[in-house]
Amino acid sequence: DAGITQSPRHKVTETGTPVTLRCHQTENHRYMYWYRQDPGHGLRLIHYSYGVKDTDKGEVSDGYSVSRSKTEDFLLTLESATSSQTSVYFCAIRGLADNEQFFGPGTRLTVL
Amino acid sequence: AQSVAQPEDQVNVAEGNPLTVKCTYSVSGNPYLFWYVQYPNRGLQFLLKYITGDNLVKGSYGFEAEFNKSQTSFHLKKPSALVSDSALYFCAVRDGNDMRFGAGTRLTVKP
Repeated sequence: DAGITQSPRHKVTETGTPVTLRCHQTENHRYMYWYRQDPGHGLRLIHYSYGVKDTDKGEVSDGYSVSRSKTEDFLLTLESATSSQTSVYFCAIRGLADNEQFFGPGTRLTVL
Repeated sequence: AQSVAQPEDQVNVAEGNPLTVKCTYSVSGNPYLFWYVQYPNRGLQFLLKYITGDNLVKGSYGFEAEFNKSQTSFHLKKPSALVSDSALYFCAVRDGNDMRFGAGTRLTVKP
């Protein structure tokens, strides 16, 4: 999966608890992305990063925050998880000269 | 904003028959278009892209896609389907630093 790992791969949590998902890349790519995948919606962008400490919001950013303190890691945090955030979360990377993105294996999050 | 649409939720074909998975786009300017495939419990895998040049683009696993500007379409095709091609297929368009995805089409190839 293009030198991208995500952790954890599966998580079950309760409403109101904080959750952090991690994306780690070994490609030294500049751009990193967090998407969520839900049936009937395809993939929707949550946040993305265009460099260390440089991030921007995507289409469905409410309830999520991100941080990127080093090139290889991009963290997605749900400050207070809700059942509507039950989803599969994918990280993706893109090199500066590339047009396509490459995806990690995904994290399945269930909020009870 | 750029967008793509996949008009079919499900496509069924018999093994050995040609397959087509449809995608239409709506963009301002020249489109950068992509196809991805997702197998169960896996991330998305890049299949092919159209940036410029020939309207027929060849990609991985014997897939190709035809860019049609007049019909604003970018349909994915394969001359002879395999059972192992059964998966979820996504069309996407680049939108600045982002990428917009269609809702996906589930392809089932029956023996």
